[in-house]
Amino acid sequence: GNSVTQMEGPVTLSEEAFLTINCTYTATGYPSLFWYVQYPGEGLQLLLKATKADDKGSNKGFEATYRKETTSFHLEKGSVQVSDSAVYFCAIAPREGAQKLVFGQGTRLTINP
Amino acid sequence: EADIYQTPRYLVIGTGKKITLECSQTMGHDKMYWYQQDPGMELHLIHYSYGVNSTEKGDLSSESTVSRIRTEHFPLTLESARPSHTSQYLCASSGNWETQYFGPGTRLLVL
Repeated sequence: GNSVTQMEGPVTLSEEAFLTINCTYTATGYPSLFWYVQYPGEGLQLLLKATKADDKGSNKGFEATYRKETTSFHLEKGSVQVSDSAVYFCAIAPREGAQKLVFGQGTRLTINP
Repeated sequence: EADIYQTPRYLVIGTGKKITLECSQTMGHDKMYWYQQDPGMELHLIHYSYGVNSTEKGDLSSESTVSRIRTEHFPLTLESARPSHTSQYLCASSGNWETQYFGPGTRLLVL
C-alpha cells in the first residue's frame, strides 16, 4: 500500500541553524511528492512539490529533491528563522487508485531566537 | 491566493446536539475533502467528494455525514455529538486533486 514516514519530532533548533526533516515513502508507481506546512492556528498550505524523479521543489528558502532510488523527499533549509516554527507534513499523490493524498504524521519544528 | 472558508472556527457544544460544520470555496474546484486532525497532529481523511452529488468515505471511519449539493459547498454533519468527536476538522479543495487548498479549520469541543 501507500504510506509516508516522517522524521519524528518535535525538532528544536536555534535561529540560523541548518534544517533537515526526513521523509520516505512507499507507493506503487511514481507518485508526486509534497511538503505542506501548518502554522499555529491555521490550516495546511502547500510549501513545495516535485512531480518526477530528480525534480527539486523550492519555496521560501526550503528545498526538497525527489529521490526515486531511495524513495525519499527530505526537506532542507540552510538558515532557519523563528517564523519557520510550524508543523511540516510530507505527502504523496499516488498515481493509481482514489484521488487523495497520503500524509505523513507531521513534524513539529520550533526555532528559538 | 486560495479562498476556502470554514465556519465556525471554534465550537463548544453539549453531548447529543446536532452540529453542522460549514465549508465553502470560491475557486470552482470539483474535489473537496474533510480531514480530522488529532492533538498529535496526524491527519485522517474522513470524507471526500469528486463533484456535485458525489461523496465517499475516507480512510478513518467517522459517524459524521457529508453532502455535496453545490460545487462550492461541502458541509459536515454530526447528528449526535459526543466527547469522542472532540477534534479539529479541516476542509480542503482541489482542482487537480494533487494540490489541495485548506481552510483554517474548526476546533470542536464536545462536553
